[in-house]
Amino acid sequence: QKEVEQNSGPLSVPEGAIASLNCTYSDRVSQSFFWYRQYSGKSPELIMSIYSNGDKEDGRFTAQLNKASQYVSLLIRDSQPSDSATYLCAVPPGAGSYQLTFGKGTKLSVIP
Amino acid sequence: SQTIHQWPATLVQPVGSPLSLECTVEGTSNPNLYWYRQAAGRGLQLLFYSVGIGQISSEVPQNLSASRPQDRQFILSSKKLLLSDSGFYLCASAINNQPQHFGDGTRLSIL
Repeated sequence: QKEVEQNSGPLSVPEGAIASLNCTYSDRVSQSFFWYRQYSGKSPELIMSIYSNGDKEDGRFTAQLNKASQYVSLLIRDSQPSDSATYLCAVPPGAGSYQLTFGKGTKLSVIP
Repeated sequence: SQTIHQWPATLVQPVGSPLSLECTVEGTSNPNLYWYRQAAGRGLQLLFYSVGIGQISSEVPQNLSASRPQDRQFILSSKKLLLSDSGFYLCASAINNQPQHFGDGTRLSIL
């Protein structure tokens, strides 16, 4: 059974700062990871996928994967109030499974 | 790219009434389809998933059921709603092991 752990927060950062969101997982064979953003009252939206060790950058977002330590993080540079949301980490299904395992999410508040 | 349609957006139902929520997918074929529920302030709870027409897997035993009468149609039903069925119901679609994409959801309130 895969487990995905996230600090529920809330994580508060000032506008313009770097927000760092972390996620640990239990399944050593997991090969890829997804980050979703969920605004209050809205559905989750995929913002990042990462498939190999190291960093992947997309605009102000950087996903970092460390398979040896079994953690994945999401960095948001130059945080904006519009980044205030809950961020969900997800591990995709492995062989024979169709269930995406979600963490419970970290609530981020960017203070103007 | 695929688009997931859910309706209605909001629904208020009395306890004991039936329920039918529909999800349709455009822009792809043979997707894996999922129903999630999210209680207020809580995480996503997987209710059902389907890998093909007529194939339904249930994750949580309860008074809900799901059906997939067509390749891109997924229906969530209940014969008698309970107060505990309140929540935000999300339909998701994925192709093979690609990330899931979500519809806009239905907010269900039981009175």
